[in-house]
Amino acid sequence: AQTVTQSQPEMSVQEAETVTLSCTYDTSESDYYLFWYKQPPSRQMILVIRQEAYKQQNATENRFSVNFQKAAKSFSLKISDSQLGDAAMYFCAYRSLLTQGGSEKLVFGKGTKLTVNP
Amino acid sequence: DAGVTQSPTHLIKTRGQHVTLRCSPISGHKSVSWYQQVLGQGPQFIFQYYEKEERGRGNFPDRFSARQFPNYSSELNVNALLLGDSALYLCASSSGQPPNYGYTFGSGTRLTVV
Repeated sequence: AQTVTQSQPEMSVQEAETVTLSCTYDTSESDYYLFWYKQPPSRQMILVIRQEAYKQQNATENRFSVNFQKAAKSFSLKISDSQLGDAAMYFCAYRSLLTQGGSEKLVFGKGTKLTVNP
Repeated sequence: DAGVTQSPTHLIKTRGQHVTLRCSPISGHKSVSWYQQVLGQGPQFIFQYYEKEERGRGNFPDRFSARQFPNYSSELNVNALLLGDSALYLCASSSGQPPNYGYTFGSGTRLTVV
């Protein structure tokens, strides 16, 4: 079974600075997706960024980028120019590549609470 | 377009009671998944339904059941509620067809069992 580990229960960053959130995972599969989700106090899980395992290039979305190290099974999230609105719980998630009739189950880590200080 | 809608937003139940939670997916999405998020933890997969058929089930007891209707909305039912069932229940919808890159989550139903 796949597992996802987020070793940083809490992180803090100064506004406009850069912060990196860590995530490692365990799987025997070669094809899969990885995601970072943000959960603000409103409770809704919001997709931040995704990475397909077969792509060597690291995904980027504006101020958000990942460092995907497939051999090391590491998937960290870097937030540049941090803003007050970035404060939230961040969850790393894993999903097997969808196969016909297969489940789309997401496996989540326990999350990292990010605080942004003004 | 409306996002994923869940109802109710909050409810309080007594141990031993039954509860039904509801989810309406994004228009055009045929897959609905349910997750349980206990305070301080990441969401845990409960069920996935696609085209009204169960496609996946997590490690939850038989007290948990779900179904999907012809309009792709879904219900999650929990019988004989325990205190440990207190959690945020999240619904996520997706197209259910490859390439399928992500899910859209609702804001959840906060269930408190007393």
